Amino acid sequence: KNEVEQSPQNLTAQEGEFITINCSYSVGISALHWLQQHPGGGIVSLFMLSSGKKKHGRLIATINIQEKHSSLHITASHPRDSAVYICAVRSSSGGGADGLTFGKGTHLIIQP
Amino acid sequence: DVKVTQSSRYLVKRTGEKVFLECVQDMDHENMFWYRQDPGLGLRLIYFSYDVKMKEKGDIPEGYSVSREKKERFSLILESASTNQTSMYLCASSFIVGSSYEQYFGPGTRLTVT
Repeated sequence: KNEVEQSPQNLTAQEGEFITINCSYSVGISALHWLQQHPGGGIVSLFMLSSGKKKHGRLIATINIQEKHSSLHITASHPRDSAVYICAVRSSSGGGADGLTFGKGTHLIIQP
Repeated sequence: DVKVTQSSRYLVKRTGEKVFLECVQDMDHENMFWYRQDPGLGLRLIYFSYDVKMKEKGDIPEGYSVSREKKERFSLILESASTNQTSMYLCASSFIVGSSYEQYFGPGTRLTVT
């Protein structure tokens, strides 16, 4: 079973700072997802990556398949970015439940 | 837009009660999931279903059962609620088209068992 580790678990930063959240996994994957969960519970998908880099607004996600590592960056952070960010991987071997394995999440707080 | 809805946002039940959590998706997805989310543990899969009347145990099925009588609806049942089942419960549905995969989540039900 794939193990997904995220760091840091908790991160508090000032508005405007550049934020990096890291995710590493243990076995080969077909895709990696970054999810965002705001207070109140709802989870939305930010990115799905299988290689390289994707950008959406102030959010950038990168993945290094050889190193089994992905990063989520937030530029010019804002208090509305405060949320839990979750990394999830889909194993290349497939398996039950679509083979999706979740990290424990990074709780980000951006202070004004 | 894909929509996954859950019957309640907040629920308070007593120990020993039978609890039903309902989930409905409107995009004809075949796969549906029930997770619970606890601080420090992340999302853990309870059960999933890949078709009507089909179900598979996830990582933590003990104390739970599920029902999928219609494609759009996936129900989670706590046969006899216990305090250690106090948690946030999230439903999701997913689709796979070629190499594209997306999982959509409902808003969650925060269940408190007293």
